[in-house]
Amino acid sequence: SAVISQKPSRDICQRGTSLTIQCQVDSQVTMMFWYRQQPGQSLTLIATANQGSEATYESGFVIDKFPISRPNLTFSTLTVSNMSPEDSSIYLCSVEEGGGSSYEQYFGPGTRLTVT
Amino acid sequence: RKEVEQDPGPFNVPEGATVAFNCTYSNSASQSFFWYRQDCRKEPKLLMSVYSSGNEDGRFTAQLNRASQYISLLIRDSKLSDSATYLCVVPGNTGKLIFGQGTTLQVKP
Repeated sequence: SAVISQKPSRDICQRGTSLTIQCQVDSQVTMMFWYRQQPGQSLTLIATANQGSEATYESGFVIDKFPISRPNLTFSTLTVSNMSPEDSSIYLCSVEEGGGSSYEQYFGPGTRLTVT
Repeated sequence: RKEVEQDPGPFNVPEGATVAFNCTYSNSASQSFFWYRQDCRKEPKLLMSVYSSGNEDGRFTAQLNRASQYISLLIRDSKLSDSATYLCVVPGNTGKLIFGQGTTLQVKP
């Protein structure tokens, strides 16, 4: 499977500031995804990032709050804007691999964000 | 019915025990199913994919019951290192993956 890295691995930020999280993949992938995992919760999809088009956001997530870039097939960024303590969470990027009817998702190590 | 539902546990079992987790799903059109393992403070890692009636990999067996819309994960001969949270993942109505809340397993010596 693809090797996925994320930067930063963790950060502590003040409310009102913004943080950009980077996701790098060691191979070209079409589909990249950004998830959030709040403390004690399971994963929630924020958006799907495809190269060459606008990201597709899930219900409850908007571009102004979580702008996403996807400049090429190996890289994406997620920005958490105007942060509040409720944004404290783990943010994970994932990629989809496979073919035909068999696709699987693999995750980066995550970015642990604490907003004070 | 929730899109994906799991018993959160925790399941506390002794080493060597056999343990099974169930997961129910609502989207009857789902064709693929996944079990992920997530260790504390780590990312989920794909444990097993299920595209037909089931899958087996060593001590781990996943079985699918389409009529009742549930999948199970069976772990035989539990090891201490099996302690983790196991996430059931199913494509939802829009095709996006829906993650269950996870079932926590604690294997004790």
